[in-house]
Amino acid sequence: AQSVTQPDIHITVSEGASLELRCNYSYGATPYLFWYVQSPGQGLQLLLKYFSGDTLVQGIKGFEAEFKRSQSSFNLRKPSVHWSDAAEYFCAVGARFSGGYNKLIFGAGTRLAVHP
Amino acid sequence: EAGVTQFPSHSVIEKGQTVTLRCDPISGHDNLYWYRRVMGKEIKFLLHFVKESKQDESGMPNNRFLAERTGGTYSTLKVQPAELEDSGVYFCASSQDGVGRAGQETQYFGPGTRLLVL
Repeated sequence: AQSVTQPDIHITVSEGASLELRCNYSYGATPYLFWYVQSPGQGLQLLLKYFSGDTLVQGIKGFEAEFKRSQSSFNLRKPSVHWSDAAEYFCAVGARFSGGYNKLIFGAGTRLAVHP
Repeated sequence: EAGVTQFPSHSVIEKGQTVTLRCDPISGHDNLYWYRRVMGKEIKFLLHFVKESKQDESGMPNNRFLAERTGGTYSTLKVQPAELEDSGVYFCASSQDGVGRAGQETQYFGPGTRLLVL
């Protein structure tokens, strides 16, 4: 079955520290992978996505993610966290169908708190 | 360009009542999706429209939920009658056809409607 696991429900880091949010997926074919962020009162915003090619993907706001097929992982990283990064982060895999459309399967989310 | 908008932002109703949620996608987006997040769990797919046609409604919980997209523009999701377990956040997303390979289009999400059934 297709699924996404985000093992960390809550993470707290100090401002300026590095960050890694874990994501593991289960999908039978080559996955399309996404990271979204939701800030309070806002909709989900796409940080980055991976379809093929270079396994290290750069996104907005200084985030990057690395696709590791052998580990079925797509972890999100940022070298130095800012207080404004406090939000909830969602990893998702796109389940594709013969009609070509994309149904997103989400993980449970990781809530990030940033200490000053 | 306006993003995906949803109305209302919050709704509190009693069990047995009816609620209608509305989603206005980004102009020109043919694909419209509804998702739901219940009790802090995963965000789960409900259904997908292409223009006014339902392509996949496999995620709809039961026949108390009815989604429509008249004229291929805005969409409504009606819950009738509402039950306690329907409480959660309902997200709408839209995407544009023909961007990249099939399945690669970005889904743009609205802020969600927070529904509480008492």
